[in-house]
Amino acid sequence: SYVLTQPPSVSVAPGQTARITCGGNNIGSKSVHWYQQKPGQAPVLVVYDDSDRPSGIPERFSGSNSGNTATLTISRVEAGDEADYYCQVWDSSSDHYVFGTGTKVTVL
Amino acid sequence: EVQLVESGGGLVQPGGSLRLSCAASGFTFSSYSMNWVRQAPGKGLEWVSYISSSSSTIYYADSVKGRFTISRDNAKNSLYLQMNSLRAEDTAVYYCAREITILFDPWGQGTLVTVSS
Repeated sequence: SYVLTQPPSVSVAPGQTARITCGGNNIGSKSVHWYQQKPGQAPVLVVYDDSDRPSGIPERFSGSNSGNTATLTISRVEAGDEADYYCQVWDSSSDHYVFGTGTKVTVL
Repeated sequence: EVQLVESGGGLVQPGGSLRLSCAASGFTFSSYSMNWVRQAPGKGLEWVSYISSSSSTIYYADSVKGRFTISRDNAKNSLYLQMNSLRAEDTAVYYCAREITILFDPWGQGTLVTVSS
């Protein structure tokens, strides 16, 4: 089955840039979506199709995808960005959706 | 406003059954595929099941195949998950989520299922 690997945690100071990676075999050939989940809340879509933002999501959130790694970048990090972040793809070989292992972003 | 509201969670003994419901509003439910996703306490997200808009296509995660059944009633704008032969490892918050071309948006607030004796 297809596996997506994320770092367990990322720490960043306010105003700096956080980069969250999502590793998968030839993930560059897939569309990657990213979700933000704050404690006690449901996940919220923050980036879709590798690099597009839903309406209402700040431009500080951006994404890229190439080779075996997709990346979610949060620029000018704010305290309110502290949350868990998950990548997600559709694995057509198994007809399964796959989520990454999740990354906890801590704002120092 | 697009809204998804899950219900039906609770405490159930191992081997027991439970039926979850998800009430949809604010969009044309019959035009969208739907999914169930779960999250065990303190753990990550796990996709559970998919159903197409007309119920013609259904997929399950390997961990629930043969025990869970997804269904929908487009006339009632409702999605269901029948869970049988429940195990301790099925303990989780279960979310329903609307699908838009292989992504999930939005999600409901979730309902907690606890499998314990």
